[in-house]
Amino acid sequence: DVKVTQSSRYLVKRTGEKVFLECVQDMDHENMFWYRQDPGLGLRLIYFSYDVKMKEKGDIPEGYSVSREKKERFSLILESASTNQTSMYLCASSLGFRGGYTFGSGTRLTVV
Amino acid sequence: DQQVKQNSPSLSVQEGRISILNCDYTNSMFDYFLWYKKYPAEGPTFLISISSIKDKNEDGRFTVFLNKSAKHLSLHIVPSQPGDSAVYFCAASARNYGGSQGNLIFGKGTKLSVKP
Repeated sequence: DVKVTQSSRYLVKRTGEKVFLECVQDMDHENMFWYRQDPGLGLRLIYFSYDVKMKEKGDIPEGYSVSREKKERFSLILESASTNQTSMYLCASSLGFRGGYTFGSGTRLTVV
Repeated sequence: DQQVKQNSPSLSVQEGRISILNCDYTNSMFDYFLWYKKYPAEGPTFLISISSIKDKNEDGRFTVFLNKSAKHLSLHIVPSQPGDSAVYFCAASARNYGGSQGNLIFGKGTKLSVKP
């Protein structure tokens, strides 16, 4: 069964901490994405990547950065966590642009 | 500017009846449409898709209808079951145009509650 695995289901971090959210896919997909989901706002794209070492800003990149050193791994970094970054974070991957996305189970991040 | 709109934040339906979830889009370049289902504390899972060359696609209890002239699609669930209670996201892409235009654009979701 193909998978997108997010390293943590729940995280609690303090304001100002540097936070790493990890995502690994085993489907050899080129494209990987980071979204956050908030009530009433749906899924908002933070960053995406089409290839190793490539990254593109999504709709809400402020306060975030990403790293893709290997094809299967896409990391989201919160440089200095703030309370308004409390959210559900979802990683997804896709094979090219002709299909849908496979999502991970999500990481519920709480910043206190 | 929302390119994909789900105007009903929530919908409540009785078990056994039909659920109809609606989605409107504004970008005429969109040529591929999908529905995802999301339970709390889980990632969205793919439900059903439709290409712009079709107007209907059916998979078991789920049918998606596409009206290109109205830029409207709908998801029908018949019969609805309590296990269908979830948030449903509509998504669209301009996949034949390549590049970032192939990225999925998601609506804000509709929370479906199916009452026993």
